[in-house]
Amino acid sequence: DQQVKQNSPSLSVQEGRISILNCDYTNSMFDYFLWYKKYPAEGPTFLISISSIKDKNEDGRFTVFLNKSAKHLSLHIVPSQPGDSAVYFCAASIIQGAQKLVFGQGTRLTINP
Amino acid sequence: KAGVTQTPRYLIKTRGQQVTLSCSPISGHRSVSWYQQTPGQGLQFLFEYFSETQRNKGNFPGRFSGRQFSNSRSEMNVSTLELGDSALYLCASSPQGAETQYFGPGTRLLVL
Repeated sequence: DQQVKQNSPSLSVQEGRISILNCDYTNSMFDYFLWYKKYPAEGPTFLISISSIKDKNEDGRFTVFLNKSAKHLSLHIVPSQPGDSAVYFCAASIIQGAQKLVFGQGTRLTINP
Repeated sequence: KAGVTQTPRYLIKTRGQQVTLSCSPISGHRSVSWYQQTPGQGLQFLFEYFSETQRNKGNFPGRFSGRQFSNSRSEMNVSTLELGDSALYLCASSPQGAETQYFGPGTRLLVL
């Protein structure tokens, strides 16, 4: 049972436009959500997180939105840059529960010049 | 602060052998988690250690084991290697556990 799902394996966006990556989860106990960026043969790099008590968190070009009723979160990147091309993973955890992150399958983002 | 370091970066083993991977967490982080990444299964949780104790374990066979030392450094061991163990093994550290985890570069294991 996949508790965190990223239904789009890939996404292609023009440089300078907005990239929107989506993630759905099924476990209502999740209370902390993260986005990671990963290049091939490297470890994931932390981008941004959000607690379930918030519905939005911004950090520079990156904004994460959380819709708890829909069990959905999204990552917005504005403006998109060629260096943003990578695989993006969303992850979820239960802060007071099992000390682990549950990851989605990832979305490959390609920014076209 | 220095990031999470993992050694070795690349490893080639044959079926039936065993392997030990090492991870040094960010200074001050007491929680170390291990994940396996494969093309088919994605990123899957192996186990987590905090203050030298395993607090949580993922759904992997007993051939996968780990430990943590008093300086928070961690090792994971895979015995009787199988072809399917070929993967990128990632170590992550965090101050307490389930909050933001910071990943190392990984160890790429190839089993022939």
